[in-house]
Amino acid sequence: EPEVTQTPSHQVTQMGQEVILRCVPISNHLYFYWYRQILGQKVEFLVSFYNNEISEKSEIFDDQFSVERPDGSNFTLKIRSTKLEDSAMYFCASSRGGGQPQHFGDGTRLSIL
Amino acid sequence: AQTVTQSQPEMSVQEAETVTLSCTYDTSENNYYLFWYKQPPSRQMILVIRQEAYKQQNATENRFSVNFQKAAKSFSLKISDSQLGDTAMYFCAFMKLLNNAGNMLTFGGGTRLMVKP
Repeated sequence: EPEVTQTPSHQVTQMGQEVILRCVPISNHLYFYWYRQILGQKVEFLVSFYNNEISEKSEIFDDQFSVERPDGSNFTLKIRSTKLEDSAMYFCASSRGGGQPQHFGDGTRLSIL
Repeated sequence: AQTVTQSQPEMSVQEAETVTLSCTYDTSENNYYLFWYKQPPSRQMILVIRQEAYKQQNATENRFSVNFQKAAKSFSLKISDSQLGDTAMYFCAFMKLLNNAGNMLTFGGGTRLMVKP
């Protein structure tokens, strides 16, 4: 069964550095998402992406964040200048849209030092 | 804005027994979807079951079933014949149906379920 893949599984970065988290969504999906989960807290929506543009974003997704689909397969989340509070598990998801379920990757654990 | 509440932070059940996890939500929408996701210690988020709000019939997926009460805004998950592999964090999630693609999920805080041998 096709799945969403995320790399790396764990990223350790110094505060203030840029980080790029990578995702390969399921190939016939058109809608892509990023969520984050701070340790011990809820899973929170960050951004949704469709037809090469952001369709919705939360207030967490400020100017330090950006998303991109640089080619036909990858979907990336960039954090420009990381802060300690960006430490979290970041999940990528994809779906066929409408009410279809979102399928999640295994997540990238981001640790900011 | 939608909110999703899971009032049971932790639960345990004996293997082969039945357990019910609670979820309530608040919305002014009429068309939406509800989901249960499972997150085992391996941390992957796995879809368990999906319910369309316009359907009165409760969704069932093998040992997993829901009790969807639209008027009460309640969406509980019943796990029958619990297995050790069911040990995980369970998240209830709400999705409103939009015309565009931004169908974000709003998650509850999760219920940690432990199945005991």
